[in-house]
Amino acid sequence: AQSVTQPDIHITVSEGASLELRCNYSYGATPYLFWYVQSPGQGLQLLLKYFSGDTLVQGIKGFEAEFKRSQSSFNLRKPSVHWSDAAEYFCAGMNRDDKIIFGKGTRLHILP
Amino acid sequence: DTGVSQDPRHKITKRGQNVTFRCDPISEHNRLYWYRQTLGQGPEFLTYFQNEAQLEKSRLLSDRFSAERPKGSFSTLEIQRTEQGDSAMYLCASSRTDRTSTDTQYFGPGTRLTVL
Repeated sequence: AQSVTQPDIHITVSEGASLELRCNYSYGATPYLFWYVQSPGQGLQLLLKYFSGDTLVQGIKGFEAEFKRSQSSFNLRKPSVHWSDAAEYFCAGMNRDDKIIFGKGTRLHILP
Repeated sequence: DTGVSQDPRHKITKRGQNVTFRCDPISEHNRLYWYRQTLGQGPEFLTYFQNEAQLEKSRLLSDRFSAERPKGSFSTLEIQRTEQGDSAMYLCASSRTDRTSTDTQYFGPGTRLTVL
């Protein structure tokens, strides 16, 4: 069955430190891949997406993600986090012309 | 604002009552999706429409749930005889999809349902 796994439920980093959130997918073929962010009480905001082409994808708010086919991974990175980055982050996959399957999310905490 | 909008943002109801939520997609988006998100989980797919046609329903969508998109624009999601287990955030998303391309799904702010 198709699935998206985020192995870390919570991640805590200090403000200014680098960040990497992990995501693994299980699909028959390479899916479209997304990272969304959700702040408390808010809807989902798209950070970046990978459909094909360059495996390093740039997104909004200084985030980037790297698609690695050999590892079935699509990890999200940011070189220096800000207190405003504290939120829940969802990795998601989708076959073309289909619904999105989300991971369970990683809650990011920022230490001052 | 041309984003996806949902109404109401919050709904508190008593068990056994019926509730209806509305979603207005981004203009000219032909696809509209409904997802449900419970505490500590990622959103789970419920159903989606292409124009006015409902193309797929998840097994999560019991007989008490019904969704419509009568004119291919806004959509409603109705839950009859609500149960406490229906308490969740209901998210709507829309996209523009044709035979050659699949566009990103853009999400609304959600409707938070609390069943007492």
